Amino acid sequence: DAKTTQPTSMDCAEGRAANLPCNHSTISGNEYVYWYRQIHSQGPQYIIHGLKNNETNEMASLIITEDRKSSTLILPHATLRDTAVYYCIVRPSWGDKIIFGKGTRLHILP
Amino acid sequence: DTAVSQTPKYLVTQMGNDKSIKCEQNLGHDTMYWYKQDSKKFLKIMFSYNNKELIINETVPNRFSPKSPDKAHLNLHINSLELGDSAVYFCASSQGMWRTDTQYFGPGTRLTVL
Repeated sequence: DAKTTQPTSMDCAEGRAANLPCNHSTISGNEYVYWYRQIHSQGPQYIIHGLKNNETNEMASLIITEDRKSSTLILPHATLRDTAVYYCIVRPSWGDKIIFGKGTRLHILP
Repeated sequence: DTAVSQTPKYLVTQMGNDKSIKCEQNLGHDTMYWYKQDSKKFLKIMFSYNNKELIINETVPNRFSPKSPDKAHLNLHINSLELGDSAVYFCASSQGMWRTDTQYFGPGTRLTVL
């Protein structure tokens, strides 16, 4: 079973910030949180990852709560091309399998 | 210059046939993976290889046999194809298997078994 829970779907207006939540209440101290997205029928695309500090790159920002039990992926100015399924993953120890959950289907509305 | 490439992109075949899917990465990574995404869109890991050594082997029928001739290639051979094998198969690679090693995915191979 996936170690994360995410809402099944979300809508966001084009040009607005999309905030995607993820719950990972059983995360252990040295497990990283990763976000990927899958645009229709394409391979999953890496977005961002973090351990406990907030992270930002050219695609998104990742906000991790102080207790590390949840995180939020922020797409600052959503476009129609951001319509995709977004997966929040807890990266396990070396050699352990990575489990993808059902993800959040994000719809960007024009 | 695609980082992770797979061939073929589409594969349509009859039940009982044997087929192979090829994967190549030009990122210089040590670890490669095969994932299966079924019709319900669940993405599940099948195998992972690190430096050509099999590390993860999920409960996959032994009709599926991965082969890693070198670190840049991980091929998937499937014997006696069944209807339930129809899915999209994704190859991925990462520098290693540590927590900070990001996975990069290929474009996928859509397998349809008739």
